[in-house]
Amino acid sequence: QVKLLQSGAALVKPGDSVKMSCKASGYTFTDYIIHWVKQSHGKSLEWIGYINPYSGGTNYNEKFKSKATLTVDKSSSTAYMEFSRLTSEDSAIYYCARGPFDYWGQGVMVTVSS
Amino acid sequence: DIQMTQSPASLSASLGETVTIECLASEDIYSNLAWYQQKPGKSPQLLIYDASSLQDGVPSRFSGSESGTQYSLEINSLQSEDAATYFCQQHHDYPYTFGAGTKLELK
Repeated sequence: QVKLLQSGAALVKPGDSVKMSCKASGYTFTDYIIHWVKQSHGKSLEWIGYINPYSGGTNYNEKFKSKATLTVDKSSSTAYMEFSRLTSEDSAIYYCARGPFDYWGQGVMVTVSS
Repeated sequence: DIQMTQSPASLSASLGETVTIECLASEDIYSNLAWYQQKPGKSPQLLIYDASSLQDGVPSRFSGSESGTQYSLEINSLQSEDAATYFCQQHHDYPYTFGAGTKLELK
């Protein structure tokens, strides 16, 4: 069955970067794009961007363009998102989802604190 | 960016009742709308896509409809497991945007 398994929670300091992973299984990784979504505590969802695992092509929400970097490793069917120059506003849960959002990872809780 | 105005923010209903949640798009999104259910501590789950198509495995008591730029999610015969937060999302134009969510409580 289709699964997206994300990496564990992260506690990072302001100004640092964090890189999280999303390992896909149960389908052909290069057949579907991978989206990334942010959910701040108790709030709604924000689309960060997507990556096409086949071509490596990306599309970012302008809001996150200078913050997020999406990559993939086709050999391990894993997508990655690196978030840089972290501030308290970046504390949230980050999800990966297979396009068309029919399967989601379990989420990664990122806490930014000194 | 396309704005999705979702209402109500919360509602309370009894088992067996029917409830409707609405989303108003700031421009035409040509039926490119999805509905998700999210329970506490869990990831969102796709219920409806393309405004009215039921995702595989989703009970038929969930249905979606549209009228112009107004989209609705109806849940019939409420069950206890329907207590959750529901979000709409437009997937017509990037950046994809979500509604603020509706928290459904069962009395």
